Amino acid sequence: SAVISQKPSRDICQRGTSLTIQCQVDSQVTMMFWYRQQPGQSLTLIATANQGSEATYESGFVIDKFPISRPNLTFSTLTVSNMSPEDSSIYLCSVEVRQSYNEQFFGPGTRLTVL
Amino acid sequence: ILNVEQSPQSLHVQEGDSTNFTCSFPSSNFYALHWYRWETAKSPEALFVMTLNGDEKKKGRISATLNTKEGYSYLYIKGSQPEDSATYLCAFFTSGTYKYIFGTGTRLKVLA
Repeated sequence: SAVISQKPSRDICQRGTSLTIQCQVDSQVTMMFWYRQQPGQSLTLIATANQGSEATYESGFVIDKFPISRPNLTFSTLTVSNMSPEDSSIYLCSVEVRQSYNEQFFGPGTRLTVL
Repeated sequence: ILNVEQSPQSLHVQEGDSTNFTCSFPSSNFYALHWYRWETAKSPEALFVMTLNGDEKKKGRISATLNTKEGYSYLYIKGSQPEDSATYLCAFFTSGTYKYIFGTGTRLKVLA
């Protein structure tokens, strides 16, 4: 298992600004994942963050909008850049346990509202 | 595009009632089906990992079944309690892309 913390837990931001979300894991993991859940939608994978290499982005998500850092095996950040109201979502980071059919452990999420 | 559907979207039940919800997923490239429970302001918590057609899993008052041939899973809660109030997510893990596809969840509210 893994215990994951995220900061901030929530924020209200102005259009055009950027917010960086931090994710800390209590053990070393190879891959970390960033998800987004827009209101009424399913959890959608934004990108996979590997330590020592660039993040891999899913279709519809780009590095300029969602830059990710992965400086070590226990920490990652996701930045939501040049925000608009459409970016209002819950953002979650997670890690997976391959021995359990890729079961994922999630952070508590960051609830972002963009005005 | 692979799609995972959950129904109903939301549900209100009285304390003590039993309830169930459905997760429908593509029947091809099946690897695993995960159920998560997500309470507001908390981390989604894994309930079950289901991998074989006909699987039945149970944890206390909560149980789940799996039919990979027809592409659905049921989650049952027996004797619902207020603390069961949460959003229940299913996630289909495909052997085609080795990625999760989540449903939109069923939001359960148990009234005391």
